[in-house]
Amino acid sequence: GDSVTQMEGPVTLSEEAFLTINCTYTATGYPSLFWYVQYPGEGLQLLLKATKADDKGSNKGFEATYRKETTSFHLEKGSVQVSDSAVYFCALSDTNTGFQKLVFGTGTRLLVSP
Amino acid sequence: DAGVTQSPTHLIKTRGQQVTLRCSPKSGHDTVSWYQQALGQGPQFIFQYYEEEERQRGNFPDRFSGHQFPNYSSELNVNALLLGDSALYLCASSLYRGSGTEAFFGQGTRLTVV
Repeated sequence: GDSVTQMEGPVTLSEEAFLTINCTYTATGYPSLFWYVQYPGEGLQLLLKATKADDKGSNKGFEATYRKETTSFHLEKGSVQVSDSAVYFCALSDTNTGFQKLVFGTGTRLLVSP
Repeated sequence: DAGVTQSPTHLIKTRGQQVTLRCSPKSGHDTVSWYQQALGQGPQFIFQYYEEEERQRGNFPDRFSGHQFPNYSSELNVNALLLGDSALYLCASSLYRGSGTEAFFGQGTRLTVV
């Protein structure tokens, strides 16, 4: 079945450092791809999405490009802030039935220090 | 707009008991999905409801059941609780329009089975 693999954390960075969190996927169809963020004690918030190959999703300085040839959707940010500390989940949407069923990776914890 | 609301926020149950979790979707949304997030893991899809019917189901036993009401709100029921059912249960709502639509998540219900 469909699956998502993302780099293990925690990722520890200093403020203003460059961030990359790797994500690769396996899917039989043409999924939509998502990055969700979870702050402590909270539910998931959609950070960005891309629905087809070569699309770039972006939000709050974060970016990710849908790479079909490498089945990847890596998350990047040029300069992280302490407030970016959270757990980041890469996910794909199963397209088989037309209903959105999200398949998540295991999450990557980001810790940003001042 | 209240967003997705879940109740209760925390719950402690004993092995063998039954539990009911509740979810009110974001205004205007017609599809509700439930996910189980074990500690340190990504959310796992349990099932999804649209037009008061279960449309998709993940790899969860029949002890997990649900319901959707005419006002689109939903319940998740778990019977014969096991210690392994301890997790954060997340409700997500969306519009049935295909795989690229955004799912909005509630803050979750933390279930502890003792």
